[in-house]
Amino acid sequence: AQSVTQLDSQVPVFEEAPVELRCNYSSSVSVYLFWYVQYPNQGLQLLLKYLSGSTLVKGINGFEAEFNKSQTSFHLRKPSVHISDTAEYFCAVSEGAGNMLTFGGGTRLMVKP
Amino acid sequence: DAGITQSPRHKVTETGTPVTLRCHQTENHRYMYWYRQDPGHGLRLIHYSYGVKDTDKGEVSDGYSVSRSKTEDFLLTLESATSSQTSVYFCAISESTPGAGPQHFGDGTRLSIL
Repeated sequence: AQSVTQLDSQVPVFEEAPVELRCNYSSSVSVYLFWYVQYPNQGLQLLLKYLSGSTLVKGINGFEAEFNKSQTSFHLRKPSVHISDTAEYFCAVSEGAGNMLTFGGGTRLMVKP
Repeated sequence: DAGITQSPRHKVTETGTPVTLRCHQTENHRYMYWYRQDPGHGLRLIHYSYGVKDTDKGEVSDGYSVSRSKTEDFLLTLESATSSQTSVYFCAISESTPGAGPQHFGDGTRLSIL
């Protein structure tokens, strides 16, 4: 069965610093991988997804993630964060087209001035 | 923004009462989902629908039922609410297969059961 672990529940970082939010998954088959962002009092928005092809995936708002099959990871990165990036970020995995997503517990990114 | 509306946005009710949450979409997407969000658990799938009158259970379906009589509406019902069902509920929609991920989420319904 698929599962997702987000290793950090909170990540504080100063504005304009780089950030990496970590995500590891467990699955015995090929997977699709996702990152979503949730701003306060809102639903989730899709940041980026990996379905196949290049392991480096670029998303909205300057975020990117790299699929590492050997390490079963899909870490999210941004070279320079803004105050407006303060939000909760969710990693998710599915085991194929007909399968539902499993979400991680979330990482709260707190960008400080 | 995608046309997806949840109602009500907030509700407080008592244990044992029935509760119905509504999700309405204007995108004509095939798939609709109900999730609940609890601290530390991310989102967990309650039920989903792959067409009118076609629904199936998710990971945490006990105590919940759903109905979809029209493409645009997906209702979630708690037949007899319990305090463990206090949560934030999100509806989501997608036009592609479930494995490709929900594309749009509603803004959520905050449900408190006393």
